[in-house]
Amino acid sequence: SQQGEEDPQALSIQEGENATMNCSYKTSINNLQWYRQNSGRGLVHLILIRSNEREKHSGRLRVTLDTSKKSSSLLITASRAADTASYFCASRFSGGYQKVTFGTGTKLQVIP
Amino acid sequence: SQTIHQWPATLVQPVGSPLSLECTVEGTSNPNLYWYRQAAGRGLQLLFYSVGIGQISSEVPQNLSASRPQDRQFILSSKKLLLSDSGFYLCAWSSGLEGLQQFFGPGTRLTVL
Repeated sequence: SQQGEEDPQALSIQEGENATMNCSYKTSINNLQWYRQNSGRGLVHLILIRSNEREKHSGRLRVTLDTSKKSSSLLITASRAADTASYFCASRFSGGYQKVTFGTGTKLQVIP
Repeated sequence: SQTIHQWPATLVQPVGSPLSLECTVEGTSNPNLYWYRQAAGRGLQLLFYSVGIGQISSEVPQNLSASRPQDRQFILSSKKLLLSDSGFYLCAWSSGLEGLQQFFGPGTRLTVL
């Protein structure tokens, strides 16, 4: 399986703190995406970073990509209780495949 | 704008019964369509994907099947459900362009008893 792996599996922080989640993958990618899932709901796309990019920002989100280490990180700054959710990375592997592969997710709890 | 619909939202079925979950997409044409299953507290497992009408790629051998009778309709089926088929089923679409950003439906919670 080429599934990515996130760590930590679970993270609990106080509101206002920053949250960092990591994702590792195994083979060359075309891009890497981060998604958010509220409990019992579908996933929502947050941000996409291409293999030739090293960092990308969107609001309070910052994503980095290190293709030499086959890893990515998602940083949520100044967290809010509403950020409580599971976060997944998904990678599109090089080779023209019309699919992405999701990691196992990080469950984030932000305590008010 | 594009929307994706899934139904039913929840389903409780006995072991050995058939299954049909439907997913439809509006506001786009020739989308890539995907079926995922998510076990409780786990990641997503890709079951099937389709790049066009009648074109189905199966990722995991199992007693489920998928069909795409129309451009924006994707159906997940089983002739006889197993206990292990319980889970949260998610349909998604993407434009098929380079990014393959996935847009997800609300999901179906299936419990097999």
